[in-house]
Order: sequence, then C-alpha cells, then structure tokens
Amino acid sequence: DADVTQTPRNRITKTGKRIMLECSQTKGHDRMYWYRQDPGLGLRLIYYSFDVKDINKGEISDGYSVSRQAQAKFSLSLESAIPNQTALYFCAIGRVNEQFFGPGTRLTVL
Amino acid sequence: QKEVEQDPGPLSVPEGAIVSLNCTYSNSAFQYFMWYRQYSRKGPELLMYTYSSGNKEDGRFTAQVDKSSKYISLFIRDSQPSDSATYLCAMSAPPGNTGKLIFGQGTTLQVKP
Repeated sequence: DADVTQTPRNRITKTGKRIMLECSQTKGHDRMYWYRQDPGLGLRLIYYSFDVKDINKGEISDGYSVSRQAQAKFSLSLESAIPNQTALYFCAIGRVNEQFFGPGTRLTVL
Repeated sequence: QKEVEQDPGPLSVPEGAIVSLNCTYSNSAFQYFMWYRQYSRKGPELLMYTYSSGNKEDGRFTAQVDKSSKYISLFIRDSQPSDSATYLCAMSAPPGNTGKLIFGQGTTLQVKP
C-alpha cells in the first residue's frame, strides 16, 4: 500500500463550486503539507500542519482552507473554486530533509 | 526575483552522457538542500539531501552545494533513459526546522537511447 494516498486523482469542477481534496497517510508522521504545482512555477506550499491542533499558512493560502481530522488525515478545501486554481495538487508528509509525496490530484476548474 | 531559480530546460542528452542540473538561490539562510525527481504523472521523490555546504555522492548521482556562490548542482553520470524526468531542487532554512520547502521550477531531462 502507498504511504500517502490522495483522493480524487482527477476532478473537473465549475467556477463557484466547493471542492475538497483528501490526503491520508500510513507512516505515522506528525507533519503534513499541501502543495500546488503549476507549469513553470514548481511546487508552492499552500498549508502545513505539525499536528492535529497546529495548522499554518504557507506561501499561497488565499482561497484555500484545510482541516486536520486526525494524525493520518489532512484535507484541502476550495470554498469557491476559480479557474486559476486549476493545477496539480500534492500532499506530502515528513520532515524538512525527507518529505514523501502523494500521487497528486489533477484539478480543473471550468 | 524568485528565491530559487532553476533553468526549466528541456535538456536532451544521449545515453551515457554526464548531466549537470543547477539552481541558484538568494536567501543566505538556506541550510537544507534537496533534489527531487518527478516522473510524468507521479509525485516527486527525494533523490539527494545535503545539509550546508559540500558534496554528497550516491551511486551515479552527486550533489554539490556552494553556499558562497549560492549555487547547487546535481550531476548524473552515465545517464540512462530511465533518468528521463523532471528534476526539482528544494531548499529550506532554520530556525525551527519547520519543514517549509522552497522549490525551483524544475528542469525536464530527456536521455535518448
């Protein structure tokens, strides 16, 4: 089984819709992260969490919210999706020098 | 100006060539330097990690950090078609070991048989 799983793997939605991306892990890491990847821009940090009660904004948190439901689960929400949120989204776990990434969710907002 | 700059390529080389991938950065506080490899439609996977300056070797891969020049490199010897992927540099700074990584844009490498 994969250490980090993300659901859904692909999603097409419309402008204004609320959408949730889910991440779960089996490694028992306290630290979890959400990144987005855009062509030519690399990966940018959206939110990160050190434990269930410790959630922090990253580089590009506007328009996003997160929930750490348990140590193993970290969800990313787009309250009202807009087209420029079309991107590849990755969940990651681990410490600064060793982060493990999930397979990604490809999100398209029409 | 971005904190981390990486030539996006694409870079195309023949099998067996030595490949050099590079990143420059502006934040002198960076202490942790990583290289990730990302195959198409996959998540990034950690290749190499270096703390502070110096070289690190792992098989065909060598990572170098020159903090005086704010420049890091990844060398791939005897490149193989299976090395074809996007390579991302990433960096982080203390204090607190927060785990926040700053990524370069990624360099796409193609190794032709």
